[in-house]
Amino acid sequence: NAGVTQTPKFQVLKTGQSMTLQCAQDMNHEYMSWYRQDPGMGLRLIHYSVGAGITDQGEVPNGYNVSRSTTEDFPLRLLSAAPSQTSVYFCASSYRPSGSARGEQFFGPGTRLTVL
Amino acid sequence: AQSVSQHNHHVILSEAASLELGCNYSYGGTVNLFWYVQYPGQHLQLLLKYFSGDPLVKGIKGFEAEFIKSKFSFNLRKPSVQWSDTAEYFCAVNAWGGSQGNLIFGKGTKLSVKP
Repeated sequence: NAGVTQTPKFQVLKTGQSMTLQCAQDMNHEYMSWYRQDPGMGLRLIHYSVGAGITDQGEVPNGYNVSRSTTEDFPLRLLSAAPSQTSVYFCASSYRPSGSARGEQFFGPGTRLTVL
Repeated sequence: AQSVSQHNHHVILSEAASLELGCNYSYGGTVNLFWYVQYPGQHLQLLLKYFSGDPLVKGIKGFEAEFIKSKFSFNLRKPSVQWSDTAEYFCAVNAWGGSQGNLIFGKGTKLSVKP
């Protein structure tokens, strides 16, 4: 299994550009999520999905869109990039969103995004 | 709202010193607790987890953590650190009844181990 994969690893955008960060998992996980990591802020949840066709907002959703058309893929779209979106983005997935084993998430390698 | 506090932003130790990183959370119900580690330039990896049972849990690389429900704490410990333990450590909580599957992370503690 490849686990959770993310592309690209690095990206530089100009203010106002749009782009999609890709995330895929091959573990048949129901739950997928996107976080951003900023120095001194820990990880903050952007959006999450508990299954195909179901998405919801996290703590910091503004400026981002997601969709979940398949179990495997959960792309994150930046609609109009801003310097405040310069960050490292991590995708994560979990095989059991409820029950006693909930919460153990597997993380992708991250995408380092710079917005000029 | 649920929150997780990590008391130390940056800890500097010499090799062989003992380590304890504090983590407190705010939620009165049932929780699952995690410590993740992020080595320089890498993604987060699970260090250990607590779901139920023995409140003293052992993880990889000699780490352990103790869940003290009355103190809402889940402190991470290691008796003797190594230079290779240099990393950032994140405590995370999943609260039952909250947003499904969502983890709430602390802001992280950076550990620097001097050889």
